[in-house]
Amino acid sequence: TQLLEQSPQFLSIQEGENLTVYCNSSSVFSSLQWYRQEPGEGPVLLVTVVTGGEVKKLKRLTFQFGDARKDSSLHITAAQPGDTGLYLCAVMDSSYKLIFGSGTRLLVRP
Amino acid sequence: DAGITQSPRHKVTETGTPVTLRCHQTENHRYMYWYRQDPGHGLRLIHYSYGVKDTDKGEVSDGYSVSRSKTEDFLLTLESATSSQTSVYFCAISGQTNEQYFGPGTRLTVT
Repeated sequence: TQLLEQSPQFLSIQEGENLTVYCNSSSVFSSLQWYRQEPGEGPVLLVTVVTGGEVKKLKRLTFQFGDARKDSSLHITAAQPGDTGLYLCAVMDSSYKLIFGSGTRLLVRP
Repeated sequence: DAGITQSPRHKVTETGTPVTLRCHQTENHRYMYWYRQDPGHGLRLIHYSYGVKDTDKGEVSDGYSVSRSKTEDFLLTLESATSSQTSVYFCAISGQTNEQYFGPGTRLTVT
């Protein structure tokens, strides 16, 4: 059983559409990170959320940490082809190691 | 971008041969990590290091060993490569926070 469940696993949308992807768990976390990975490259950190209910914005990307700190969402407004990639959420386990979800693969068609 | 490089970037090797992957950083970060990434499994931790000569096992450490003799270098060795070790390998570094910075990856194929 995965500690972090990401959904959907795959999403294909048209340029200009909005979308939301989710990262869920039954455990409580002190913080949660979102990474984006483009084809052929390593993941790049987008944001870290720390406080329950926290909302962070990064241009057209909006990240929210659930009130109970068990889940998070990433909303993209007016998606562009440059948003294409694998979106990964990650949390720190009790041994201070990052645990990753399996990711949501996003394809934005021109 | 964090100064982190991996070598080689691509490698094809035969089953049973030893393979060493190198991760090099210029950030003087304390923590270094090796992950493998496979379809459907995301990123899984192989080994990590919390200082020179200080290493520990991750989730999928069987068949792998690591060494860190200098702050800037973290080596991952497959003593006898198997086809199940065909994967993309990523090195990552982190400093005082839990935010990790990844290298560009090494694509390893074991035939």
